[in-house]
Amino acid sequence: EDKVVQSPLSLVVHEGDTVTLNCSYEVTNFRSLLWYKQEKKAPTFLFMLTSSGIEKKSGRLSSILDKKELFSILNITATQTGDSAVYLCAVEVAGGTSYGKLTFGQGTILTVHP
Amino acid sequence: GAVVSQHPSWVICKSGTSVKIECRSLDFQATTMFWYRQFPKQSLMLMATSNEGSKATYEQGVEKDKFLINHASLTLSTLTVTSAHPEDSSFYICSAREGGGPALKQYFGPGTRLTVT
Repeated sequence: EDKVVQSPLSLVVHEGDTVTLNCSYEVTNFRSLLWYKQEKKAPTFLFMLTSSGIEKKSGRLSSILDKKELFSILNITATQTGDSAVYLCAVEVAGGTSYGKLTFGQGTILTVHP
Repeated sequence: GAVVSQHPSWVICKSGTSVKIECRSLDFQATTMFWYRQFPKQSLMLMATSNEGSKATYEQGVEKDKFLINHASLTLSTLTVTSAHPEDSSFYICSAREGGGPALKQYFGPGTRLTVT
């Protein structure tokens, strides 16, 4: 059974802190790993990672994938209250000819206090 | 960026009735759409994969006769919850994927909050 595990499950920090969110996975037929941010509604896309060791950056957020050790991290520097959300990690697996099937982790609830 | 819409955004229905939820890709053609369910404080659970022009593929434990999925065009998939019961109350989210092949981005709709009384 495919499994995606995130840690920590929740995190409380103050504005300006740097946080690292972890995602480990055990899946068959790995295609890609995706990070999403979920506030009150549906998840919004952050990153897609397919290759090991290549950091993806978007502003204060960055992420990297290690396909040998089967994990990814999401870093947020200089956190702001607007970063408060649930961060979801998902792994895309291939099922026959059907691409795009995502297995989600439990999510990390990040709370940033002013 | 790609936009996916869902309608309705929330619905309240009585036990035993059926509810249809629409998922549309607004600015791209979605060969594949996915339906997820999310219970409070839990992560997204894939219910089924919907491919345009063919039958949906359901995940283990999801009743295909209860959750009817139709993907009649490249921009529209519908999920009908038949004979809804209170335990079907949940947040239903669709996602759409442009084209075929591996490692393409998947865009989520805003979700539909279903409450069955």
